[in-house]
Amino acid sequence: GESVGLHLPTLSVQEGDNSIINCAYSNSASDYFIWYKQESGKGPQFIIDIRSNMDKRQGQRVTVLLNKTVKHLSLQIAATQPGDSAVYFCAESPRSNDYKLSFGAGTTVTVRA
Amino acid sequence: DAGITQSPRHKVTETGTPVTLRCHQTENHRYMYWYRQDPGHGLRLIHYSYGVKDTDKGEVSDGYSVSRSKTEDFLLTLESATSSQTSVYFCAIQLPWGEQYFGPGTRLTVT
Repeated sequence: GESVGLHLPTLSVQEGDNSIINCAYSNSASDYFIWYKQESGKGPQFIIDIRSNMDKRQGQRVTVLLNKTVKHLSLQIAATQPGDSAVYFCAESPRSNDYKLSFGAGTTVTVRA
Repeated sequence: DAGITQSPRHKVTETGTPVTLRCHQTENHRYMYWYRQDPGHGLRLIHYSYGVKDTDKGEVSDGYSVSRSKTEDFLLTLESATSSQTSVYFCAIQLPWGEQYFGPGTRLTVT
């Protein structure tokens, strides 16, 4: 079936380095993509989103890249900080589908001091 | 900030008992969603609502029902709780500019 998944379940990053979290999707009808951060004991928190008519979008210290040809999504975090340690989820949605999101299983990012 | 609360935040119940979880929003967003989160599965959609009295099933709806009699409240009911429904439950609202905004979650344990 069609699903959203992340390449790696865990990622360890040195403080100050850049982090790259990858996500593959298979639903060719998806036209909205979003990244969430979830800290322990809390609900998912919005980081950044991108629509299918864009290839790249930047936020504060974060960049999302979308490659529709290979159905790949990535989140780049610049100058990773200890507060970036969390689980990161990608999700996708065909906007015609009542905005329903399909989530990947998540990548746990650990920042080393 | 969008206001969304969930109650209770923690609950322990016995197998076979009914359980109702409540999601309350302080703004009049049309779409509301219930998810469950289990290790290794990310978040999976249980049910969602696109207006008062308008609801539909998600991918893991078996054993759950929902109701929405007011715009601000979306209730999730486990008619007869089972151990497989032990999970963390999140409610979310659809914001006009695209994202879904999540509540703090309810940790449910069925013994």
